[in-house]
Amino acid sequence: EVQLVESGGGLVQPGRSLKLSCAASGFTFSNYYMAWVRQAPKKGLEWVATISTSGSRTYYPDSVKGRFTISRDNAKSSLYLQMNSLKSEDTATYYCARPPGSWGQGVMVTVSS
Amino acid sequence: EIVLTQSPTTIAASPGEKVTITCRASSSVSYMYWYQQKSGASPKLWIYDTSKLASGVPNRFSGSGSGTSYSLTINTMETEDAATYYCQQWSSTPHTFGAGTKLELK
Repeated sequence: EVQLVESGGGLVQPGRSLKLSCAASGFTFSNYYMAWVRQAPKKGLEWVATISTSGSRTYYPDSVKGRFTISRDNAKSSLYLQMNSLKSEDTATYYCARPPGSWGQGVMVTVSS
Repeated sequence: EIVLTQSPTTIAASPGEKVTITCRASSSVSYMYWYQQKSGASPKLWIYDTSKLASGVPNRFSGSGSGTSYSLTINTMETEDAATYYCQQWSSTPHTFGAGTKLELK
């Protein structure tokens, strides 16, 4: 059974950094592209980042490009999202996903002073 | 960027009623994906590759479409189908989502 478990969320001040982690199990992690998707409170879904199987290719929307970095450690079956220069509009639940069908339970990030 | 426009934004249906949700893309996409999300829960893949039902999805659901026009249909609405449905394309980056359609029980 595919399991994706996010961690690392919390309350952070604007302008600061936070790193999310996602522990994957139940499948051969290194064979799959992985992604992060977020959902602001009471809002819709927004794709945040995708990474190729080796980690050599990464993709971001303009809203986070230059501030967020997706990475992976295939040896540890782990996915990461380094978030820098956080803004209040980054407040959301962040989901780790194995596109298209498997999602974690999500981790809340609140950016507030 | 491919913009996905879902309609309607909200719809109320009675048990047994037929429901159709549409998703229009600003440019052609190869496949459309649909997710169901209930309050407080993670989204669940509902339909993939435009018309294939994800594991456990009842066969009263169907998906269809091509190019820039896609739809999700529920043949006969049931209570448990009340949720928000999102379309998404993985064809090109950014991997955009539709804004969602909230399906309520009438």
